[in-house]
Parts: sequence; C-alpha cells; structure tokens
Amino acid sequence: DAGVIQSPRHEVTEMGQEVTLRCKPISGHDYLFWYRQTMMRGLELLIYFNNNVPIDDSGMPEDRFSAKMPNASFSTLKIQPSEPRDSAVYFCASSLGAQGAPQHFGDGTRLSIL
Amino acid sequence: RKEVEQDPGPFNVPEGATVAFNCTYSNSASQSFFWYRQDCRKEPKLLMSVYSSGNEDGRFTAQLNRASQYISLLIRDSKLSDSATYLCVVNDGYNKLIFGAGTRLAVHP
Repeated sequence: DAGVIQSPRHEVTEMGQEVTLRCKPISGHDYLFWYRQTMMRGLELLIYFNNNVPIDDSGMPEDRFSAKMPNASFSTLKIQPSEPRDSAVYFCASSLGAQGAPQHFGDGTRLSIL
Repeated sequence: RKEVEQDPGPFNVPEGATVAFNCTYSNSASQSFFWYRQDCRKEPKLLMSVYSSGNEDGRFTAQLNRASQYISLLIRDSKLSDSATYLCVVNDGYNKLIFGAGTRLAVHP
C-alpha cells in the first residue's frame, strides 16, 4: 500500500520566493497533519485537517504560512514570502480516526531558504 | 514544563545489551501513547503503541504508568540496527499528538 507521499523531497530557494509543499495522505485516512522539524525546536505541529476541514491552525507561525486541503487526497502548505528562518524539514502525516490514533508520516520536504 | 520530557541521551551501548528509556508527560487527559523511531534524516515511524497493561513486540517492551504519568521502553538484545532516536508520543486528550524531543541510542559492535 502507498504511504503518505510528499513533494518535493528537497527545495532550495531564495528568500522572498513563494514555496509550495504538497502532500497526498494514505487513502481512506480522514486526518491530515503538517509538522515542521528543526534541531532547535524539534517536531512542531503546524495545522491539522479532519475530512478536509482545517481544525486547528494555532501552530502556524505567522500569516506567511497557509495550508489548504481541497479534497481528501491532496493538501498544500504554502509559505509566501519565505525567510531563511523557515528552513526546516516539513512533514505531512495522516491517520484514521480520532482521539490520537497513530499517525503515518511522509518522507518529508527538506527546505532551505537562502 | 514541557508536555513530554525525555532524556536526550545519547545512550551508547554494546550489541546485545539491554537499554531502557523513560518519558514523563504532563497532561493527565492524555489517552493514547506511542513510541516512534526516527533514523537520521528520515521520517518518524511508529514503533509501537503503549497500553496500560504493558505490551511487548519481540525485543521491545513498553510500559505505561498513568498514576505517575510515566512511559518506558525496554530494548533487549540490542542490534546495530536499533541505533536511532526514539520519540515518546502522547495525545493531548483530543486529536493532537505531542512528540517528545527524543532519546538518541547508539549501539556499537
């Protein structure tokens, strides 16, 4: 079975540019989560969706970050404009069911903002 | 106080050793508990769920003490391939999972 699929795997861009990260959750999963991981701050939850609806975006650092889930099989995380401090690994995860079901992670996108 | 606290390590152990990791959590409403494993430059992967009665999966044993809000992971007969970072994970009582910062394990020949 296909796992969570993220693209691109790596992204290097200059500050000020728009960055779009993509995620395809596991088919049938009804929860989708976006995380950011850095050495300093560890794994941080940015936002999560249930049945394509954003439920909690309190982890989104600022207005430069936005996320959408237009359908059950696709989500995007956008950063505009990007800044060097946004450099991190961004993970997408999905799960089936509520109340803290185990989450399955994609390979991540390694983002470097120059 | 962090919601999930772990000793960062590293734990350096020889092959065949038994090693134990501990974790404490602060939210008494937490209902789901997991150990994840993360290899260098890879994604976190679910190692095992943790149940109140304790559970075992091969060389791995997990224990939960709700009264003390404490979770443990025991690895017996360590293998070189066990070298990784082990993340203690609890839910917030709802749908979010809170990840600890991880404990690094290095198994050497």
